[in-house]
Amino acid sequence: DIQMTQSPSTLSASVGDRVTITCRASQSISSWLAWYQQKPGKAPKLLIYKASSLESGVPSRFSGSGSGTEFTLTISSLQPDDFATYYCQQYNSYRWTFGQGTKVEIK
Amino acid sequence: QVQLVQSGAEVKKPGSSVKVSCKASGGTFSSYTISWVRQAPGQGLEWMGRIIPILGIANYAQKFQGRVTITADKSTSTAYMELSSLRSEDTAVYYCARVARELIDYWGQGTLVTVSS
Repeated sequence: DIQMTQSPSTLSASVGDRVTITCRASQSISSWLAWYQQKPGKAPKLLIYKASSLESGVPSRFSGSGSGTEFTLTISSLQPDDFATYYCQQYNSYRWTFGQGTKVEIK
Repeated sequence: QVQLVQSGAEVKKPGSSVKVSCKASGGTFSSYTISWVRQAPGQGLEWMGRIIPILGIANYAQKFQGRVTITADKSTSTAYMELSSLRSEDTAVYYCARVARELIDYWGQGTLVTVSS
């Protein structure tokens, strides 16, 4: 199975900060990468698909980039509602795999 | 409005099996893939497998191969995930999810399975 590695595991930031999360794949996945946001006790929510396409209804402060094996999720100006855990997920293979998650905490 | 409604929480003994159901409404059940994803307490998301109801074909993550069975009943728009030989590490919230455009567009509410002696 394709391994997905996220960094950092935890990130402390303040409202208004620019935040970047990295996701690396163990082999090329082209642009078949999604980013999800999850809050405690809730199912994940899709933010970005195909590495850089913004899901409908998701604020434009979220953006994604990358291809092949290296990807990033950027939040341009962190808002109070953005404190959550973020996961990358590859769907290049039908055997999906997720990154281990990045928790964005209040500094 | 699409809804995926899962069965209720379960408490199981080590070595036993659990079967979680996921009933879909508001869409054409057979037209979509249903995936199962689990999340252990305080841990990340883990894809377990999927079923394509219109074909009746299931695929599984290597980690769960031989221990998980995913099925679907088109007549009742219900998918099932059965996990056998349960151990304490299987304690988790189990989610079903509808897949469209190769992506999850709807999630079930989650089912907590607790494995404890």
